[in-house]
Amino acid sequence: EVQLVESGGGLVQPGRSLKLSCLASGFTFSNYGMNWIRQAPGKGLEWVASISSSSSYIYYADTVKGRFTISRDNAKNTLYLQMTSLRSEDTALYYCARRGAAMGDYWGQGVMVTVSS
Amino acid sequence: DIQMTQSPSFLSASVGDRVTINCKASQNINRYLNWYQQKLGEAPKLLIYNANSLQTGIPSRFSGSGSGTDFTLTISSLQPEDVATYFCLQHNSWPNTFGAGTKLELK
Repeated sequence: EVQLVESGGGLVQPGRSLKLSCLASGFTFSNYGMNWIRQAPGKGLEWVASISSSSSYIYYADTVKGRFTISRDNAKNTLYLQMTSLRSEDTALYYCARRGAAMGDYWGQGVMVTVSS
Repeated sequence: DIQMTQSPSFLSASVGDRVTINCKASQNINRYLNWYQQKLGEAPKLLIYNANSLQTGIPSRFSGSGSGTDFTLTISSLQPEDVATYFCLQHNSWPNTFGAGTKLELK
């Protein structure tokens, strides 16, 4: 069974940093591209970043470019999102999602990030 | 960036109704359009990928159509468990972009 479990969220002050993790199981992690997608409270979905299976290709939304870094450790079956210079508008539920035969064929349950003083 | 205009924003329908939700892309996205269902408090679930391919395990009452800039998600006979918010996503080019969502409720 494919499982994606996010962790690392919490309350952080504006301007500070936070690193999210997504532990994958039930499939060969190193064969799949992965994504971070977020959802602000009561709002729609926003694609944040994508990384290819071997980390050769990485893409970011303009809203996070230069502040967030997506990475992965295929030996640990883990996807990461390093977030720096956090702003109140980064407050959201952050999902990791697999890019299999289709983009977002499996999603985690999400981890909440709250940016507030 | 490609803008995805989803309509309607809100939809009220009865059990058994045929329901259609639309997404319009600001430029040609070929068939690179997915549909997701998100129930309250849950993660999104993939329903349709590449415009008209039904994801494994999704009931056949869900279908997708369209290409280029205009796409439609159809629920042929609405069931109570279909109450949810539905989103489209274009993955033709970066950044990938979502529609704003359609909240579907029972009348």
